[in-house]
Amino acid sequence: DAGITQSPRHKVTETGTPVTLRCHQTENHRYMYWYRQDPGHGLRLIHYSYGVKDTDKGEVSDGYSVSRSKTEDFLLTLESATSSQTSVYFCAIRGQGAADTQYFGPGTRLTVL
Amino acid sequence: AQSVTQLGSHVSVSEGALVLLRCNYSSSVPPYLFWYVQYPNQGLQLLLKYTSAATLVKGINGFEAEFKKSETSFHLTKPSAHMSDAAEYFCAVTVNTNAGKSTFGDGTTLTVKP
Repeated sequence: DAGITQSPRHKVTETGTPVTLRCHQTENHRYMYWYRQDPGHGLRLIHYSYGVKDTDKGEVSDGYSVSRSKTEDFLLTLESATSSQTSVYFCAIRGQGAADTQYFGPGTRLTVL
Repeated sequence: AQSVTQLGSHVSVSEGALVLLRCNYSSSVPPYLFWYVQYPNQGLQLLLKYTSAATLVKGINGFEAEFKKSETSFHLTKPSAHMSDAAEYFCAVTVNTNAGKSTFGDGTTLTVKP
């Protein structure tokens, strides 16, 4: 298994509160991704990183921010959580090439009440 | 931009029957194509991938897929379904441009009946 962990694994929070999800890898991979998974929508890319302090937006980035201060950690922050952000969040890592496999973390189930 | 369409959000087969999960892609440049499987409460894991070498790709657990450029398809097959194959399956496309970002299909849930 690729060395990728996510924390927390489950979180319940209230609307308007800030939330930070953490992704940690031990593989020294360059690329890291945050996706959200919702029924009928597959996986949708929120943000991704192609190196330390190098990040860019995905297709559903509104309401989310990210930071990567170290190769091994990629943080996803919901500045003010809304009920529409209730979802399962997956982190993934990938090597240098577009043909490389993405390795996924176990996911974080976030519920915003 | 690239896109993926998975035909059929739910597929049900009997144990021992052929499994066929359909994936069509759209890409303006040569694509890399992936099939991932997700078991309940887990992340996705790679089944197989096409990276422009052989067009017939064999993966884990007896699955295989054939890249057909003329049909823009990458369908996943397995000759004989097993109960343990019940899961959700995702097709994904990546290209060398577009920062190497992947686009995933909406997924197909496979049910295997005894």
